[in-house]
Amino acid sequence: TQLLEQSPQFLSIQEGENLTVYCNSSSVFSSLQWYRQEPGEGPVLLVTVVTGGEVKKLKRLTFQFGDARKDSSLHITAAQPGDTGLYLCAGLNAGNNRKLIWGLGTSLAVNP
Amino acid sequence: GAGVSQSPSNKVTEKGKDVELRCDPISGHTALYWYRQRLGQGLEFLIYFQGNSAPDKSGLPSDRFSAERTGESVSTLTIQRTQQEDSAVYLCASSFPPGPPYNEQFFGPGTRLTVL
Repeated sequence: TQLLEQSPQFLSIQEGENLTVYCNSSSVFSSLQWYRQEPGEGPVLLVTVVTGGEVKKLKRLTFQFGDARKDSSLHITAAQPGDTGLYLCAGLNAGNNRKLIWGLGTSLAVNP
Repeated sequence: GAGVSQSPSNKVTEKGKDVELRCDPISGHTALYWYRQRLGQGLEFLIYFQGNSAPDKSGLPSDRFSAERTGESVSTLTIQRTQQEDSAVYLCASSFPPGPPYNEQFFGPGTRLTVL
């Protein structure tokens, strides 16, 4: 069974701090996606990383795909209260491109 | 509308009743997914539709759960004889035809089901 492990599960920080969320697996993925979900809404795609070692930046968010395409990280610089939410990673298996494998999420709270 | 829509947004039912949840995907999206999300947890895959292919039902937790899709449009998820453990948010997502390495999914707001 493929698994994506996310850490930490919960994170509560003050506005202005930096943080990193990790998504790890023993399996290789053809791509990996990060979503953010706010209370009462569905997840919204933030980014897709495809190439091993790839780094993508989205304003204060930096996403990295591991060289072996088994892990990924999300780094947020100078977190703001608007960053609060559930961050989910999801991997697409190279052998089964129909279903995403989902992590359990990291719940982030940024306090003013 | 431009996004995935789901109805109802909230559903409260009594144990043992049947419920039907509806999903309208983005026009042109041939793939449609149903997920269940329990409070504070990640997404649990339920079922996947792709065009006219047989659906992937491997995530349905019991035979009380079923889903249908009309062509490449509306889908309904039916839960028969609801139990309290069925209480959760049910999310629908749609995507373009899957092709590696991308399978980006667009989610609806979900239906919050509460079984009393």
